[in-house]
Amino acid sequence: GAGVSQSPSNKVTEKGKDVELRCDPISGHTALYWYRQRLGQGLEFLIYFQGNSAPDKSGLPSDRFSAERTGESVSTLTIQRTQQEDSAVYLCASSPSTGRSYEQYFGPGTRLTVT
Amino acid sequence: GEDVEQSLFLSVREGDSSVINCTYTDSSSTYLYWYKQEPGAGLQLLTYIFSNMDMKQDQRLTVLLNKKDKHLSLRIADTQTGDSAIYFCAESISEKLIFGTGTLLAVQP
Repeated sequence: GAGVSQSPSNKVTEKGKDVELRCDPISGHTALYWYRQRLGQGLEFLIYFQGNSAPDKSGLPSDRFSAERTGESVSTLTIQRTQQEDSAVYLCASSPSTGRSYEQYFGPGTRLTVT
Repeated sequence: GEDVEQSLFLSVREGDSSVINCTYTDSSSTYLYWYKQEPGAGLQLLTYIFSNMDMKQDQRLTVLLNKKDKHLSLRIADTQTGDSAIYFCAESISEKLIFGTGTLLAVQP
């Protein structure tokens, strides 16, 4: 079946602009996660959703970052007034439910470059 | 605090065994994981181990967990050039995964 998909695959934006990154989880997966991977580093947790609610937003770096999920499906991660330090690959993962973190399936990521 | 550490680089010859090490700090982790990331490809879950286990074997992969020392290792037997990649160790804390910085495994023919 289809895996986790993300769009766009690459995004170049100017400093100060807003960007929206999209994640389509595996159909039927109720849990959805966002991570960030800076160049040469491991993944940093940003936020996760169970259904449409976000019990843990502790990883969001600043109030410029927000995420929403509608219909227990698609999620969007929005970065307002982008800064150069926001340049990274943003990865989305989904799992059948919470409590099954060993079943997080990752998408290919969106590479964001802020110039 | 939550911290996962790995060595940055490992070089082995084809056919040898590779051992990638990882240390973590949070003893409440329920699962520990090894992920593989190849250039231009997504993150692939290789294997995971439940925190009450000491060892897990899956074909060429052997995971060893020492809870007392908070040390996790991944052994790849008969390493092939196709195993060249970055390997990430991760622990699960509540719902989130905490990743190490990754170990670049270079396999020399």
